[in-house]
Amino acid sequence: AQSVTQLDSHVSVSEGTPVLLRCNYSSSYSPSLFWYVQHPNKGLQLLLKYTSAATLVKGINGFEAEFKKSETSFHLTKPSAHMSDAAEYFCVVSGRDSSYKLIFGSGTRLLVRP
Amino acid sequence: GAVVSQHPSRVICKSGTSVKIECRSLDFQATTMFWYRQFPKQSLMLMATSNEGSKATYEQGVEKDKFLINHASLTLSTLTVTSAHPEDSSFYICSARDPVGTGVMQPQHFGDGTRLSIL
Repeated sequence: AQSVTQLDSHVSVSEGTPVLLRCNYSSSYSPSLFWYVQHPNKGLQLLLKYTSAATLVKGINGFEAEFKKSETSFHLTKPSAHMSDAAEYFCVVSGRDSSYKLIFGSGTRLLVRP
Repeated sequence: GAVVSQHPSRVICKSGTSVKIECRSLDFQATTMFWYRQFPKQSLMLMATSNEGSKATYEQGVEKDKFLINHASLTLSTLTVTSAHPEDSSFYICSARDPVGTGVMQPQHFGDGTRLSIL
């Protein structure tokens, strides 16, 4: 079975400082991994995805993530946080059956202090 | 870019009524749509996979008679919460799989969700 674990339920950073949101995955084969962002009372927006190409994946809004097989990790980073980055972030793994269902982590709430 | 429209965004109704939520793909045809439920400050829980022209596939523990799904066209899936009770209050989100690409490369586009409150 596949799963993802988001290690922090809340992360608080100051505006202009780096962001690190941690995610570890469990999969018996090479996974497809995603990061989504959800603003309050909104749906989800795809930030980036890893599908066995380059291990360093660049996404929208300055975010990037690195797939590390040896550590089974897919952490999300951004060099400098903006106030608009405050939101809920989900690490997601895709199933491998024909429906390609998404399996969500528990989420990390990012707080950005002025 | 691809857009998924979900309607209504918020609904408040009395216990015992049925509520229908619509999910539309606006600029692409979606043979597969998904319905999720999200409790406050929690993650998304997949309820069912909606397949155009066939029966929906429900996840374990989801009552198919309680949550009726209809995917009658390539751009519309509906979720009906029948005889709703306060415990059905939640945030419901749909997504539609974009046919561009193949397999896992097909992106899922999400609606903005529906906040359902049962009094």
